[in-house]
Amino acid sequence: DTGVSQDPRHKITKRGQNVTFRCDPISEHNRLYWYRQTLGQGPEFLTYFQNEAQLEKSRLLSDRFSAERPKGSFSTLEIQRTEQGDSAMYLCASSERDLQYFGPGTRLTVT
Amino acid sequence: QKEVEQNSGPLSVPEGAIASLNCTYSDRGSQSFFWYRQYSGKSPELIMSIYSNGDKEDGRFTAQLNKASQYVSLLIRDSQPSDSATYLCAVTPREALTFGSGTRLQVQP
Repeated sequence: DTGVSQDPRHKITKRGQNVTFRCDPISEHNRLYWYRQTLGQGPEFLTYFQNEAQLEKSRLLSDRFSAERPKGSFSTLEIQRTEQGDSAMYLCASSERDLQYFGPGTRLTVT
Repeated sequence: QKEVEQNSGPLSVPEGAIASLNCTYSDRGSQSFFWYRQYSGKSPELIMSIYSNGDKEDGRFTAQLNKASQYVSLLIRDSQPSDSATYLCAVTPREALTFGSGTRLQVQP
């Protein structure tokens, strides 16, 4: 399978815990994006990498959120001190130019 | 005003009919426009892209763009029950995609 992959697919955590998600983009894609989607809404942009450089961050990305893309390959998104409002689907997308392809997402539930 | 507006639906059409989905956007600097299909519980799937005014056809799908009116539409011909999903309009005023909230389409057998 050469599509975008994400791990884990589901995560249940208690409020206050830290969680980390991983995204593996399509191999030849140099751009990688993180989005968050809540029920009934479209995905909302969080952050964007070109190769290993984080070029843009949304105002949605509070200081509890951090993302990395070491060596321009896979990326991780960490949420510290999770809150119930962090419950959402976290989507990763990759692109070579402007066509973005999404992974299956990680569904986070904060109890 | 939201950056990308879509009617949430549901839009209900009979099998075999044409489904027409509409989207308006606010940023005149947007250059690229996309339609994604999202089945319940799944991630968005890219189905169409359009960059210039006019129509673009791909199989049963036609995307239409009118930059002067800031309007994008998607037509689905010969609608099938398997087309029942939420259709997300996305534009790129910046590098990342800005999505509408989606229109839920129901195709009745």
